[in-house]
Amino acid sequence: SAVISQKPSRDICQRGTSLTIQCQVDSQVTMMFWYRQQPGQSLTLIATANQGSEATYESGFVIDKFPISRPNLTFSTLTVSNMSPEDSSIYLCSGKTSGNYNEQFFGPGTRLTVL
Amino acid sequence: AQKVTQAQTEISVVEKEDVTLDCVYETRDTTYYLFWYKQPPSGELVFLIRRNSFDEQNEISGRYSWNFQKSTSSFNFTITASQVVDSAVYFCALSPPTGFQKLVFGTGTRLLVSP
Repeated sequence: SAVISQKPSRDICQRGTSLTIQCQVDSQVTMMFWYRQQPGQSLTLIATANQGSEATYESGFVIDKFPISRPNLTFSTLTVSNMSPEDSSIYLCSGKTSGNYNEQFFGPGTRLTVL
Repeated sequence: AQKVTQAQTEISVVEKEDVTLDCVYETRDTTYYLFWYKQPPSGELVFLIRRNSFDEQNEISGRYSWNFQKSTSSFNFTITASQVVDSAVYFCALSPPTGFQKLVFGTGTRLLVSP
């Protein structure tokens, strides 16, 4: 398994500003993902963070709004840009370790409120 | 396309009752993985179980048991003798065995266990 930490754990931001969320994994993972969970909703994949290259975004999510970096195997950042109240969500980072079992382990999430 | 349906939005039980959470999935893949995650009020996602599509054995872990039936595309989760600490949102998820292996989540079932 992998232990995943995220910073910040929560934040309250003003409309129009940007927030960068950090995700740190305690061991090397083959893949890292970013999910969004809107209030009372399920998790939706934003993108797969690729080491040293551009992230792979899901339909409905774009790099200009959610730029992602992954400079090495154990660290990734997600920026929520030009925020609006609709961006208020929990943002979760997950990692998948090597092996055949495809389990993803999740960070504690970042609770974002945009005023 | 892959889809996971959790028809039960919320279930309320009294402590020590047994409760079953339903999960029905759709996929065109011949092999795939199924998962259950628990999300307590604190927000983190806790991995509970993974099941490979070619392994239809039911599994029991303490008070938890899982019933996988490929014929009906269901992967139900039973908690025996529920406890207050079981109160959480439970998510069923599906992923392919290869490629980006992203998780497709159901909408979740909120379980409330009262004393």
